[in-house]
Amino acid sequence: DVKVTQSSRYLVKRTGEKVFLECVQDMDHENMFWYRQDPGLGLRLIYFSYDVKMKEKGDIPEGYSVSREKKERFSLILESASTNQTSMYLCASSLRDPFNSPLHFGNGTRLTVT
Amino acid sequence: AQRVTQPEKLLSVFKGAPVELKCNYSYSGSPELFWYVQYSRQRLQLLLRHISRESIKGFTADLNKGETSFHLKKPFAQEEDSAMYYCALKTTSYGKLTFGQGTILTVHP
Repeated sequence: DVKVTQSSRYLVKRTGEKVFLECVQDMDHENMFWYRQDPGLGLRLIYFSYDVKMKEKGDIPEGYSVSREKKERFSLILESASTNQTSMYLCASSLRDPFNSPLHFGNGTRLTVT
Repeated sequence: AQRVTQPEKLLSVFKGAPVELKCNYSYSGSPELFWYVQYSRQRLQLLLRHISRESIKGFTADLNKGETSFHLKKPFAQEEDSAMYYCALKTTSYGKLTFGQGTILTVHP
């Protein structure tokens, strides 16, 4: 069974801090994604990666960056956290052809920026 | 640009009643559509995809290209169907999904 693990379930950070959210998958998936989930707005894609060291901006990349140095790990970085980045962050992974592979999600990291 | 709209934030039905969760999309290409579900305290997971034309947990969804809709239906709702449901549209070969706003379904006993 595919497992996508997000390192923290809850995080509380201060405004201006640099924040790292880590995600690891154990099924050799090529694609990895970071979404944020907000009530009434659904899931919005921040960044995705289709291979090691490759990344593409999603719909709301401002204020975020990502790193994919190894195939199994995809990190989301908030360069200078702000209160409007308080949200639930979901990591997901899939095989290169998602027709045969759905997105597999982690449990999420609830980030609060004070 | 692609867009997915779920017009109902909240939907309440009684056990045994039919349920329909609405989803409309906007996309100039050939759409691939999905329904994802998140039960309480569980991770988001795939419920069904239009290409498979399958029924999962009694749910079905038909792609209507004329109306650009992909509504999720179940003839007899169960309490365990209570969850958050997201409709999603695939727009690239890399598997990027555009999600709707989500609908919280509550099935009352």
